[in-house]
Amino acid sequence: GAGVSQSPSNKVTEKGKDVELRCDPISGHTALYWYRQSLGQGLEFLIYFQGNSAPDKSGLPSDRFSAERTGGSVSTLTIQRTQQEDSAVYLCASSPSGIGSYEQYFGPGTRLTVT
Amino acid sequence: KQEVTQIPAALSVPEGENLVLNCSFTDSAIYNLQWFRQDPGKGLTSLLLIQSSQREQTSGRLNASLDKSSGRSTLYIAASQPGDSATYLCAVAGNTPLVFGKGTRLSVIA
Repeated sequence: GAGVSQSPSNKVTEKGKDVELRCDPISGHTALYWYRQSLGQGLEFLIYFQGNSAPDKSGLPSDRFSAERTGGSVSTLTIQRTQQEDSAVYLCASSPSGIGSYEQYFGPGTRLTVT
Repeated sequence: KQEVTQIPAALSVPEGENLVLNCSFTDSAIYNLQWFRQDPGKGLTSLLLIQSSQREQTSGRLNASLDKSSGRSTLYIAASQPGDSATYLCAVAGNTPLVFGKGTRLSVIA
C-alpha cells in the first residue's frame, strides 16, 4: 500500500518568507509526527498529533513554527519568517496509534534551503 | 531526558565481514527501540523494531538485541555487502516521541 508521502521534496526560499510543508500519512494511521534533521544535529522531534487530542508541541524550536492536521489525516507544517538556521530536512512519520509500542513509518522528507 | 548514543560514528569494512553497531540510551523506561537505515538524500527505512519485553529480533542478515536494564542495543549485520552502505540510526520510544542517536555511517568496500 501507499506509504507516507511528503511535498514538496525540495524547497528553496528566501530568508523572511513563509513556507508550508505537507505530509500525507498512511491511511488509517491515527498518529502523525514531524521531525527535523539538520546537518550535524541528528534527528529531533518537532510535534506530534494523536487522533483528536491536542498536539504535543514540545519540540517546536520557536513560535515561528506551527502545524495543523486537518480531518485527522493530512498535516501541514508552517514556518513563518524563515531563517537560515531553519535549513534542514523535515521528516514526517505516522503510526497506527500513539506513543507506545507502534512502529513509525517515515516519509522521504522535504529538504528546505533558506537563502 | 532521554539521550541516545551510537558508536562508532563511522565504520568501513571489506565486503563479507560480520559487523556490530552499538546503541546506548540513558533512560531504560522505553516502549521499544527501532533501528533504521538512511541512504544519502533519502528518508528512513525501518529495519527492526524490538519491543521492551523482547531480547532480540531478526530479519534476514540483520539481528538486533536489546538489554533494557543496561540501556544497550546492538545491530549485527552478517556477511556485509556493498549495498549495506548507509547510515544506521537507532531510536527509542518512551513517553515522548522517538529519540534518535546521531547514527553510524557504514561503508562496505567491495
